[in-house]
Amino acid sequence: DTGVSQDPRHKITKRGQNVTFRCDPISEHNRLYWYRQTLGQGPEFLTYFQNEAQLEKSRLLSDRFSAERPKGSFSTLEIQRTEQGDSAMYLCASSLALAGGPETQYFGPGTRLLVL
Amino acid sequence: SQQGEEDPQALSIQEGENATMNCSYKTSINNLQWYRQNSGRGLVHLILIRSNEREKHSGRLRVTLDTSKKSSSLLITASRAADTASYFCATWQYGNKLVFGAGTILRVKS
Repeated sequence: DTGVSQDPRHKITKRGQNVTFRCDPISEHNRLYWYRQTLGQGPEFLTYFQNEAQLEKSRLLSDRFSAERPKGSFSTLEIQRTEQGDSAMYLCASSLALAGGPETQYFGPGTRLLVL
Repeated sequence: SQQGEEDPQALSIQEGENATMNCSYKTSINNLQWYRQNSGRGLVHLILIRSNEREKHSGRLRVTLDTSKKSSSLLITASRAADTASYFCATWQYGNKLVFGAGTILRVKS
């Protein structure tokens, strides 16, 4: 079990550019979550997938944000036309959701995005 | 928006002392979880307490939950320098998502 991995770990981009982040969950986990964390705050939920289906999106996820999990394994989060306000740490987490049971989410190290 | 608030925002103690952090939340929950975050290991799950439980222990950690007051506390006993980190409570909301508080920054001085 290698844990949740994210790539890249750091990204610096200019305002208006598109960026894409990748998350590889723990292999047997069926749920995958994306969060955003700004300095001094806790993570804020963005969206989650159960296998390949995107089941919920936060109102924080504007039209410039899109997430995919095409084969129910890895996921990508794309931000189009980046703005300075998008600067944050983007965290991915995965979990094994069993019917009726509480689930523990395992987080990756995050991708730190800086928009200049 | 954040669900709850941790108190205090920051805490500085000597190694060997106990550290207590509190968390308040706003809505009904299924369970409440505590996480630790430091630069070396990212966000790590510490302990989960279900809404029908009042107290839970894991090693040096003790968590309490009072659903009538919508509050929880995390006690770390015999703290170590390695416990220096940010601690977050997170509530499991119906709709399958965790909602985190703003966190408590704990510094343990050796």
